[in-house]
Amino acid sequence: NAGVTQTPKFQVLKTGQSMTLQCAQDMNHNSMYWYRQDPGMGLRLIYYSASEGTTDKGEVPNGYNVSRLNKREFSLRLESAAPSQTSVYFCASSPRTGAGGYGYTFGSGTRLTVV
Amino acid sequence: AQSVTQLDSQVPVFEEAPVELRCNYSSSVSVYLFWYVQYPNQGLQLLLKYLSGSTLVESINGFEAEFNKSQTSFHLRKPSVHISDTAEYFCAVIKLNSGGYQKVTFGTGTKLQVIP
Repeated sequence: NAGVTQTPKFQVLKTGQSMTLQCAQDMNHNSMYWYRQDPGMGLRLIYYSASEGTTDKGEVPNGYNVSRLNKREFSLRLESAAPSQTSVYFCASSPRTGAGGYGYTFGSGTRLTVV
Repeated sequence: AQSVTQLDSQVPVFEEAPVELRCNYSSSVSVYLFWYVQYPNQGLQLLLKYLSGSTLVESINGFEAEFNKSQTSFHLRKPSVHISDTAEYFCAVIKLNSGGYQKVTFGTGTKLQVIP
């Protein structure tokens, strides 16, 4: 099925460990995004990539890094995980950042727990 | 700065009853408005959107939302809910600008619980 694929679906990390969340889309979208979802706070943008080769910070970038590997893939890396990074992470894509009317296509999420 | 307010964090409603989920936004410029639905353990799915034209927009599963510019609202309604509508609903706003990144602001979500 076409869409946004995230891996892994679940992950438990110890404080200080690192990991990379993977995201791939097969819709030929130019723009991709990483959000975190926390209870009562809605979705907050971590990083986004307007097009292949570019990345920019969102609202809550501290503690994260991203890589736009190619047009399809956009990964999120936690270098040294902290309990405050326990959250559900969503990757999303859109045709381009200036085409807001299309809306976003979201992946099914990665549930991350840092102990 | 633009913001989106969903005042109700949870809305319980009996099956086949009507429901309204409220969304208010603040923006001094033109906006696009969206409702997304999130079923348990899934990502968000676009439910409906208002870009321009008719202020009443509908989804394929019976939901509708009306853009009210004077009240800066975009409330979501359904005349008769089903058990399968149990989900969390997010209102979102995109402020239109001349180009580049268009910031999307999401509300904090409203959990709709349909009671049999």
